[in-house]
Amino acid sequence: GAVVSQHPSRVICKSGTSVKIECRSLDFQATTMFWYRQFPKQSLMLMATSNEGSKATYEQGVEKDKFLINHASLTLSTLTVTSAHPEDSSFYICSASIPDQPQHFGDGTRLSIL
Amino acid sequence: AQSVTQLGSHVSVSEGALVLLRCNYSSSVPPYLFWYVQYPNQGLQLLLKYTSAATLVKGINGFEAEFKKSETSFHLTKPSAHMSDAAEYFCAVSEPYGQNFVFGPGTRLSVLP
Repeated sequence: GAVVSQHPSRVICKSGTSVKIECRSLDFQATTMFWYRQFPKQSLMLMATSNEGSKATYEQGVEKDKFLINHASLTLSTLTVTSAHPEDSSFYICSASIPDQPQHFGDGTRLSIL
Repeated sequence: AQSVTQLGSHVSVSEGALVLLRCNYSSSVPPYLFWYVQYPNQGLQLLLKYTSAATLVKGINGFEAEFKKSETSFHLTKPSAHMSDAAEYFCAVSEPYGQNFVFGPGTRLSVLP
C-alpha cells in the first residue's frame, strides 16, 4: 500500500531554534499534502494544505510565517517551525493524497521545545 | 460544511467482547467516510473507508462499519476484541474525492483482560 515517510520522528531542541520536518510519499506521487497538529489526547487539527508547486493554504489561526511549508515536488513536502517556543511543542503529522483516494499518513514527529 | 461526532471519548471492553465505536456525521453533500486507528506516538493507519459503494464496509484487523444515511452514522464494529486493538480511533468525513477532510475528536479504546 501507499507509504508516507516522515522524518525525524522526534526532535528536542532549545527555544528559538528552527526545526524542519520532512514528509515524503515513497511509492506514489502526491498531488496534495497536508500538515496536522495534534495536542495530547486530542484530535488532529489541520494546519495547512499544500499542492506541489504552489503556496500552501493555511487554516484560520495558523501563522504562515511561523510554520513555513514547502512542497517542491510531488513526493516531498517540508514543514519548518521557525523560532520555535515551548508552546509549539506538539505532535505534527503529515499526510499525502491523490484525488479520490484517502489520505495516507506519516508516523508523526514529536517536537519538544525546551 | 462537514462535521463528525464520536460518542464516548473512552470505551472499555473485555477481551473477546464486541467492540462498538460510534460515529455520526454531518455533510451537505454525499460523504466519504473513514475510520483510522492511531497507536501511541504513531501516525494514523486507515482501517476502512466508505466511498458511496457498498454500505457495509470491511476493513483490516476484523473491523467493519456500516453507512446508514437515515441515521447519518458510520459506526465501527468488531465481533471480538483483542488486546492489540487498544488504541485511539478516529472517524473522518470528507466531500467526494477527498475534499475538506474533517476528523472526529477520537475514541480511546481500552481492552481489559
